[in-house]
Amino acid sequence: DAGVIQSPRHEVTEMGQEVTLRCKPISGHNSLFWYRQTMMRGLELLIYFNNNVPIDDSGMPEDRFSAKMPNASFSTLKIQPSEPRDSAVYFCASSIGTSDQETQYFGPGTRLLVL
Amino acid sequence: GENVEQHPSTLSVQEGDSAVIKCTYSDSASNYFPWYKQELGKRPQLIIDIRSNVGEKKDQRIAVTLNKTAKHFSLHITETQPEDSAVYFCANSGGCNYKLTFGKGTLLTVNP
Repeated sequence: DAGVIQSPRHEVTEMGQEVTLRCKPISGHNSLFWYRQTMMRGLELLIYFNNNVPIDDSGMPEDRFSAKMPNASFSTLKIQPSEPRDSAVYFCASSIGTSDQETQYFGPGTRLLVL
Repeated sequence: GENVEQHPSTLSVQEGDSAVIKCTYSDSASNYFPWYKQELGKRPQLIIDIRSNVGEKKDQRIAVTLNKTAKHFSLHITETQPEDSAVYFCANSGGCNYKLTFGKGTLLTVNP
């Protein structure tokens, strides 16, 4: 299995631009998680999906952030408009999604820099 | 699994010594406690986990202990090696959702 796949791996953009991050979970996994990691705030859960349905989006910072999961093999996290404080590493993770005691497998992350 | 406190934030040991990282949590419904290791520039990766029906689990040089009464769990690494140097995160989950709540991380440095 290829593991969780994320793209792009690096993104540099200017303030005000739209940013779209992509994730392909491990095949057969039904839960998908989006995290943001910064030095100041650590690893924060933004949103998670189970069976393509958003279950908890309480970690989404504000309306500039949105996430979708149109099918079991693809999810996007969009920031519009982007701001310098959004600069971080964004991780996608997936798990089997049948219980609350499962390993989450992380993707390689997307390093976002907003100038 | 809301609110996980992790200590220390940094830990420096000599090669061959033991390292202990501790976490406390507040949600009594928590029943799953994984530990992740993140090397510089890499993704977090699971190294060991424990579930609430077990008090201790060991895998070679790594062990985790859980005290549900006191609501704390710990990671123990024995005979540390330079390649153990990384940031270690504790986490927990439980109740009616699948999300993990992570501690702030511990930067472990093993000096040769």
